[in-house]
Amino acid sequence: EIVMTQSPATLSVSPGKRATLSCRASQSVSSNLAWYQQKPGQAPRLLIYGASIRATGIPARFSGSGSGTEFTLTISSLQSEDFAVYYCQQYDNWRITFGQGTRLEIK
Amino acid sequence: QLQLQGSGPGLVKPSETLSLTCTVSGGSINSSPYYWAWIRQPPGKGLEWIGHIYHSGSTYYNTSLNTRVTISVDNSKNQFSLRLTSVTALDTAVYYCARHLPGYNDGGYFDYWGQGALVTVSS
Repeated sequence: EIVMTQSPATLSVSPGKRATLSCRASQSVSSNLAWYQQKPGQAPRLLIYGASIRATGIPARFSGSGSGTEFTLTISSLQSEDFAVYYCQQYDNWRITFGQGTRLEIK
Repeated sequence: QLQLQGSGPGLVKPSETLSLTCTVSGGSINSSPYYWAWIRQPPGKGLEWIGHIYHSGSTYYNTSLNTRVTISVDNSKNQFSLRLTSVTALDTAVYYCARHLPGYNDGGYFDYWGQGALVTVSS
């Protein structure tokens, strides 16, 4: 099983600033990585797939980068609605695994 | 607009079987290349993939649940279902159904999600 490790567990950032979230895979997953946003009481929402491709309707302030074992989700200018929990997920094979999440909170 | 709606009992007794159904509307469950998945989230914790199924019936399961889980599909009703046997308190979670877009090696990501159904295992 591929273990996904996200850091930090909690990130405090002021509105309007940039947020950088990290995700590391225990072995290479190539670019087979997705990012999700989850707000309290809601289902996760797909943000990024293929490590860097924005899903339909996702604002341009969200960007993904990386390949192999190291990945980054960047939110360029935080809006109030961006404070949530973010999960990465690898799909390099059918044994899909998620990271434990990063909580993005208002500083 | 594709919509997924999960349904089933919110309370299951220990050692019994958890059964949930997801009804897909706004699209056909037969559509290629999509798979249909179940994912769960214990209260206050992260996401765990349970498994996914193709409309032909091909299934993939999380090996940690493999002996207890069955996912099935009913193309005529545009539904897919989850059965989890011998449940314990550790199976208490919000259960999500989702559409799975295949990527590589039968893995993939999830672009449409149901609203989630809380299932509590308790006597």
